[in-house]
Amino acid sequence: NAGVTQTPKFQVLKTGQSMTLQCAQDMNHNSMYWYRQDPGMGLRLIYYSASEGTTDKGEVPNGYNVSRLNKREFSLRLESAAPSQTSVYFCASSEGPRREGYTFGSGTRLTVV
Amino acid sequence: AQSVAQPEDQVNVAEGNPLTVKCTYSVSGNPYLFWYVQYPNRGLQFLLKYITGDNLVKGSYGFEAEFNKSQTSFHLKKPSALVSDSALYFCAVRDTRGGANNLFFGTGTRLTVIP
Repeated sequence: NAGVTQTPKFQVLKTGQSMTLQCAQDMNHNSMYWYRQDPGMGLRLIYYSASEGTTDKGEVPNGYNVSRLNKREFSLRLESAAPSQTSVYFCASSEGPRREGYTFGSGTRLTVV
Repeated sequence: AQSVAQPEDQVNVAEGNPLTVKCTYSVSGNPYLFWYVQYPNRGLQFLLKYITGDNLVKGSYGFEAEFNKSQTSFHLKKPSALVSDSALYFCAVRDTRGGANNLFFGTGTRLTVIP
């Protein structure tokens, strides 16, 4: 049982380049989330998908787009990377409202130079 | 608006001593509160939660947390710290806005257990 799988684990981009972070869960969870983690700021929600077919903005959505491809997969896209997007990105999933906490992936460490 | 505060960036404790990691919250309505732990280069792992019921909640790895409504606190505790408890700890509160089960995280407290 893999849980939540994120790819890639590490990435270096040049300013202005684009890339997609992939996330897949095998727990049949309804809800999926993308967070970024920065020193001294904890985790901040970028986008979430409450259920298949829906996506919504979180606290810090600017510069990002997401796609809930199916129930298992939720991708995060940076269209034109900026140094301010250097961060560690975590995908998470949960059964849905009022349920248990989240299951997190192991993260993607992104550096934009 | 939902928020959590972790007033200590760093907590140091000697192995075998009791530990406390502090968290205070602000919510509208009934609070759903969580603690997560993050080990180096890993994702966050669920430790425990408070939804309703007993104010003392027991979780994984011998951790427990005490919900105090009058002080709006949810401090994480363990009677006897282990070196392996050294990690980054996050308190979180459920965001009741909208239809999703969003969690709002504190800034984290780094716990170091000294041998």
